[in-house]
Amino acid sequence: DSGVTQTPKHLITATGQRVTLRCSPRSGDLSVYWYQQSLDQGLQFLIQYYNGEERAKGNILERFSAQQFPDLHSELNLSSLELGDSALYFCASSVPLTGGVYGYTFGSGTRLTVV
Amino acid sequence: AQKVTQAQTEISVVEKEDVTLDCVYETRDTTYYLFWYKQPPSGELVFLIRRNSFDEQNEISGRYSWNFQKSTSSFNFTITASQVVDSAVYFCALSGEGGSEKLVFGKGMKLTVNP
Repeated sequence: DSGVTQTPKHLITATGQRVTLRCSPRSGDLSVYWYQQSLDQGLQFLIQYYNGEERAKGNILERFSAQQFPDLHSELNLSSLELGDSALYFCASSVPLTGGVYGYTFGSGTRLTVV
Repeated sequence: AQKVTQAQTEISVVEKEDVTLDCVYETRDTTYYLFWYKQPPSGELVFLIRRNSFDEQNEISGRYSWNFQKSTSSFNFTITASQVVDSAVYFCALSGEGGSEKLVFGKGMKLTVNP
């Protein structure tokens, strides 16, 4: 157990639907990152939150949104789902280490299948 | 912009062979961090190593070794005496200082070790 919890582990839904993926970071970690792993795009950074605030944005579609709550858990909302959104979605949390480097911990991912 | 290139997409070896996974990166940051992750068939991302840009010492951990060469912007990973359990997808990743906390991943390299 990495300490980063993602639920659900698997999700099957139909096109046009909306889903919410949940992530609880490791205790004490303030940053949460979302990544999408698809066959054609590889592992891509979507968005980062730090202590409740959006910190960085990557290749996140407008149909996708995220937030981080006061208890630091985060949710990634995917709407108007398309077949191409089928992917493995990872959440990671990080803590700053000495020397300016960050220690990243990944969750086990949520596998989304859009049918 | 930061970029990580893993030119090899797939390698198949026989057990006990040595195998080297190549990673070439691009960044304008003077301080940056390089990572290797392993993704076994079960899907989770397993952290292997983190190296900062000021530390060019090679590192060995059991059968794993890493060769960081700043002059060629490469951070190669060698598995000595490969085993079937090494079969996985391996990702090289890069992060920068300050606002570039996110990880930029290469496309990954699938290693199959046959008995």
